[in-house]
Amino acid sequence: QKEVEQDPGPLSVPEGAIVSLNCTYSNSAFQYFMWYRQYSRKGPELLMYTYSSGNKEDGRFTAQVDKSSKYISLFIRDSQPSDSATYLCAASGGYNKLIFGAGTRLAVHP
Amino acid sequence: KAGVTQTPRYLIKTRGQQVTLSCSPISGHRSVSWYQQTPGQGLQFLFEYFSETQRNKGNFPGRFSGRQFSNSRSEMNVSTLELGDSALYLCASSLATHDLTEAFFGQGTRLTVV
Repeated sequence: QKEVEQDPGPLSVPEGAIVSLNCTYSNSAFQYFMWYRQYSRKGPELLMYTYSSGNKEDGRFTAQVDKSSKYISLFIRDSQPSDSATYLCAASGGYNKLIFGAGTRLAVHP
Repeated sequence: KAGVTQTPRYLIKTRGQQVTLSCSPISGHRSVSWYQQTPGQGLQFLFEYFSETQRNKGNFPGRFSGRQFSNSRSEMNVSTLELGDSALYLCASSLATHDLTEAFFGQGTRLTVV
């Protein structure tokens, strides 16, 4: 079993939809959680960074962490075609060792 | 300010050769981490350096090594290349002192082993 599990999709939604992306993790020692967006042939771009449980909002993006259920979520409101990318969740294993999920490929069609 | 710079962007090598990849972190960042990304295994942690010291290492064979210089620039070396080493190699930099802060990635070096 991988330490961070993520459904690879693909996920296809119409423009304007609310997108929900989810991951689960198994290591209760993880304290930091991140969401990255990766366009084709590019490096991952940091979207959201949260510590422990709770919500964090940044524009159209909301990240949620529920440590009791070991569940990580990213919500995208009013999705745009430019949001089409692969979304990677990650958890920290200490000293900048990030454990990544497989990534979910998202397509937002006009 | 300038982001994380990785060179070269693309590389083609033959089995058995060795290769060195370079990463220049964001100015002021002292931590550099390296990752391998493949379609089958996703993003996997290789190692992390802070102030020229390796603090953490992933589960890769000893053919994969790295180092960090006093200016925080880092190099990664892979010896005796195998076909399975074909991947996108990414480095990430962060301020990190003793724990995690936001990690920012470069564009990666795409290595093809033939």
